[in-house]
Amino acid sequence: DSGVTQTPKHLITATGQRVTLRCSPRSGDLSVYWYQQSLDQGLQFLIQYYNGEERAKGNILERFSAQQFPDLHSELNLSSLELGDSALYFCASSGTDRAGEKLFFGSGTQLSVL
Amino acid sequence: AQSVAQPEDQVNVAEGNPLTVKCTYSVSGNPYLFWYVQYPNRGLQFLLKYITGDNLVKGSYGFEAEFNKSQTSFHLKKPSALVSDSALYFCAVRALSGANNLFFGTGTRLTVIP
Repeated sequence: DSGVTQTPKHLITATGQRVTLRCSPRSGDLSVYWYQQSLDQGLQFLIQYYNGEERAKGNILERFSAQQFPDLHSELNLSSLELGDSALYFCASSGTDRAGEKLFFGSGTQLSVL
Repeated sequence: AQSVAQPEDQVNVAEGNPLTVKCTYSVSGNPYLFWYVQYPNRGLQFLLKYITGDNLVKGSYGFEAEFNKSQTSFHLKKPSALVSDSALYFCAVRALSGANNLFFGTGTRLTVIP
């Protein structure tokens, strides 16, 4: 068990809908990362937060947004969902933002857009 | 820009034989390189990393990796494969931006045959 908790584990929704994925980092970790894993695009970095502030942005669509709350949990909001958004979404955390620090991954949220 | 490439989608090896999973990188400057493993229905787990120092890095579960600057490679190795090593292996490189987010390769599925 990595100590990173993601909810829900599975999510089935329809095109055009909006969903929220939740991540609780390991106790004491300040940095949260979101990744999307799909068969055609592999593992793509979406966004990183550090102590409540956006730290780095990757291939995140404008329809997607995220935030990190004062208690350090994070939410990834996906709106106007399309079939192609179906993927496994991972959250990871690390203690700080120091380069080279290893990431601890949650088990992911499997999103199916029908 | 920074990137890693995993030229093999699939590697099969007999139990007890040595295994190698290949990774090459493209980074300007000194690379921070990582290997992660993903077991079915689980998040990624850290195996090892190279930041500086000895070119041979030892990690979890008996794995090691060799950093080769002239060949821009960071191959993952293990002297004797176990059936339980069967999993999806990802090579990753740290972003150049200074943040700790990682860019992952496409993954190599390792199957150890009993």
